[in-house]
Amino acid sequence: GNSVTQMEGPVTLSEEAFLTINCTYTATGYPSLFWYVQYPGEGLQLLLKATKADDKGSNKGFEATYRKETTSFHLEKGSVQVSDSAVYFCALSAYAGKSTFGDGTTLTVKP
Amino acid sequence: GAVVSQHPSWVICKSGTSVKIECRSLDFQATTMFWYRQFPKQSLMLMATSNEGSKATYEQGVEKDKFLINHASLTLSTLTVTSAHPEDSSFYICSAPHQAGVGDTQYFGPGTRLTVL
Repeated sequence: GNSVTQMEGPVTLSEEAFLTINCTYTATGYPSLFWYVQYPGEGLQLLLKATKADDKGSNKGFEATYRKETTSFHLEKGSVQVSDSAVYFCALSAYAGKSTFGDGTTLTVKP
Repeated sequence: GAVVSQHPSWVICKSGTSVKIECRSLDFQATTMFWYRQFPKQSLMLMATSNEGSKATYEQGVEKDKFLINHASLTLSTLTVTSAHPEDSSFYICSAPHQAGVGDTQYFGPGTRLTVL
């Protein structure tokens, strides 16, 4: 079956540090890949997505590239802010719209 | 565009009562919606697929009689937690795909926090 493995957290960084959250996946077929962000007490918000190999999704300074050869979709940001503190979920969607999520990585950015 | 709402945003109920949670796609139609459950500090677990005009499809281990799903229209799905117990307390989130086909973007509702006393 499909699965998503995310880098374990929590991750604590200082403001303006570089962020990488690793994500690898296992799927049959050609899934679309997503990163979602969840702020405390809220639902999920789509951060970025990529629908085919070598696509790069980007939004709000975050980027992730769909790497089929390494089955990865690592999230990066060059300079994090305190407001980026949240839980980040990597996910894939491969069949009939169903999504499979990673366990989530909690990011805390300190001033 | 592509907004999904949920109501209520939070609910507290007594053990043994039933609770209905609504999920609406506000600016698009959705023949399929998904219901997830999220425990504190954990990931989302898919509970069931809600299908407009037909029965819901439940994931393995999810009790159909416990979690009743009705997809009444192309913009509304409801999840009813019947005879709720404290172990049903959780964050329930729905989603709907915005375009037909495989791998479409899911738009998530803001979630409903259920607390059963």
